[in-house]
Amino acid sequence: DAGVTQSPTHLIKTRGQQVTLRCSPKSGHDTVSWYQQALGQGPQFIFQYYEEEERQRGNFPDRFSGHQFPNYSSELNVNALLLGDSALYLCASRSREWEETQYFGPGTRLLVL
Amino acid sequence: QKEVEQNSGPLSVPEGAIASLNCTYSDRGSQSFFWYRQYSGKSPELIMFIYSNGDKEDGRFTAQLNKASQYVSLLIRDSQPSDSATYLCAVIGSGTGGFKTIFGAGTRLFVKA
Repeated sequence: DAGVTQSPTHLIKTRGQQVTLRCSPKSGHDTVSWYQQALGQGPQFIFQYYEEEERQRGNFPDRFSGHQFPNYSSELNVNALLLGDSALYLCASRSREWEETQYFGPGTRLLVL
Repeated sequence: QKEVEQNSGPLSVPEGAIASLNCTYSDRGSQSFFWYRQYSGKSPELIMFIYSNGDKEDGRFTAQLNKASQYVSLLIRDSQPSDSATYLCAVIGSGTGGFKTIFGAGTRLFVKA
């Protein structure tokens, strides 16, 4: 049973560039959430996708956008990268939109220079 | 006031001792509470969840919840060096229209052999 997978594992970008991160949920899961975790901090909720729609959003600017595909996989896009966007980006999936238990992928570590 | 607060630590305990990790939250309407363990460079791993006041035990781990005091704790009995990690408290708040999980910054635990 495959768990949550994310790609790439590491990424280096420069300020002003755009980045796309990818996530495949755990088998049987249809809801995906994205989090940003800065060094020494807890994960911060970015948004959640269910049925290919953004259902909830945290306090992140519009530079952060996402998408969910019919196979439940998801993308996180960040435009006009800032140095402060450097972080570990985590994807988590759950079996239903209202299921509270979620499982995290290994994360993508983004460094913005 | 932060929504979920944890002592950043580090908390250092000898092998075999009880480690006590604490967390307070600000949203009195919160209903669901989680403890995650995160090893350095890895993603969070769910240890336990608790919904009702009182204690919930799972092996060496006991979660305690006191909604009146807005306090949740995690006890680790017979601590092992492999328990050395950052422990994240997470809360699903009320009135968010869904399942927005709010994390604390985490407490670093060191178990000395």
